[in-house]
Amino acid sequence: DVKVTQSSRYLVKRTGEKVFLECVQDMDHENMFWYRQDPGLGLRLIYFSYDVKMKEKGDIPEGYSVSREKKERFSLILESASTNQTSMYLCASSKLASGSRETQYFGPGTRLLVL
Amino acid sequence: GQQVMQIPQYQHVQEGEDFTTYCNSSTTLSNIQWYKQRPGGHPVFLIQLVKSGEVKKQKRLTFQFGEAKKNSSLHITATQTTDVGTYFCADPTGGGNKLTFGTGTQLKVEL
Repeated sequence: DVKVTQSSRYLVKRTGEKVFLECVQDMDHENMFWYRQDPGLGLRLIYFSYDVKMKEKGDIPEGYSVSREKKERFSLILESASTNQTSMYLCASSKLASGSRETQYFGPGTRLLVL
Repeated sequence: GQQVMQIPQYQHVQEGEDFTTYCNSSTTLSNIQWYKQRPGGHPVFLIQLVKSGEVKKQKRLTFQFGEAKKNSSLHITATQTTDVGTYFCADPTGGGNKLTFGTGTQLKVEL
């Protein structure tokens, strides 16, 4: 079974802090994704990566950056956390494929509260 | 980005009643995927539809892809408490192996 793990289930940070969210997958997937999930808004893509050191902006990249130094690890960085970044953060991975038919496998999520 | 409209946002049913959620797109989709997220959990892949007019069944769940490939539905027959959760459709129209998720339908089942 594909396993996607995230470094924390719950996190409390203060406004202005730098926050790192880590995601690791064990299935040698090329693609990795970071989403945030908010009530009534569904899943919104922040950033994704289809290869080591490659990254592309999703729909809501403002206030976030990412790092992918190794294939299995994709980090989301909040340079200066703000209260409007309080949310559930979900990491996902998938195989690289033509035709966009690969399913995504999600981690358990990190619920971040910024005070 | 491409937006997939999903309705309804919430649905409360009595156990044993049927349930349907719909996804609609303004553009033609190459395929559509469905995911389920249990309360406190993470989205889990259910199924993918590719062909125009395709219908697939998983026990009490029936998935349909419209003839024009612009809409899809998930129907649950005789809901059970184990069906509780949020159901998302997702489409790959954004390209690059990305998925755009619908806003989800939250299903609550009461005894």
